[in-house]
Amino acid sequence: EVQLVESGGGLVQPGGSLRLSCAASGFTFSSYWMSWVRQAPGKGLEWVANIKQDGSEKYYVDSVKGRFTISRDNAKNSLYLQMNSLRAEDTAVYYCARESRGPPSSSFDYWGQGTLVTVSS
Amino acid sequence: SYELTQPPSVSVSPGQTARITCSGDALPKQYAYWYQQKPGQAPVLVIYKDSERPSGIPERFSGSSSGTTVTLTISGVQAEDEADYYCQSADSSGTFLYVFGTGTKVTVL
Repeated sequence: EVQLVESGGGLVQPGGSLRLSCAASGFTFSSYWMSWVRQAPGKGLEWVANIKQDGSEKYYVDSVKGRFTISRDNAKNSLYLQMNSLRAEDTAVYYCARESRGPPSSSFDYWGQGTLVTVSS
Repeated sequence: SYELTQPPSVSVSPGQTARITCSGDALPKQYAYWYQQKPGQAPVLVIYKDSERPSGIPERFSGSSSGTTVTLTISGVQAEDEADYYCQSADSSGTFLYVFGTGTKVTVL
């Protein structure tokens, strides 16, 4: 059974940093592109970033470029999102998601339960 | 930036058919995908590659595509289908960026 379990969310002040983790199991993690998708309270879904199987390619939505860094450790079956210079508008539930095919066209076929990040003073 | 537009809400009586549209300029060139999200839960993929249904998804869910619009159809709507639905696709400009639609709340009357 495919499982994705996020952790690391919490309350952080504007300008602060947070590192999210996603532990994957039930599939060959190193064979898939992986993504982070977020959802602000009461709002829609927004794709944030993704990373190739070997970590050699990474893409970001414009609003997080230069502030967020996606990474992975295939030996640990883990995905990460380092978030720096956090803003109030980054407040959201952050989901880890597996891409079925990878870019340029792919669905997210498995999702974690999400971890809440709240940016507030 | 690229956008996918959905109606904010659709209301339907049990047993009737719900149709949710998603419009975007790149949809003739890129596949569309559909997700169902119930309150407090993660999204679930219900349609991939415009019209394919993942295993375990009921046959009443179907997808179609025509030009710049894709449509998710729920035939014989059941109370359990009340949820938010999002389309998703990709920018066709080669930027490798994924985009979600604005979301549609389906209410079963």
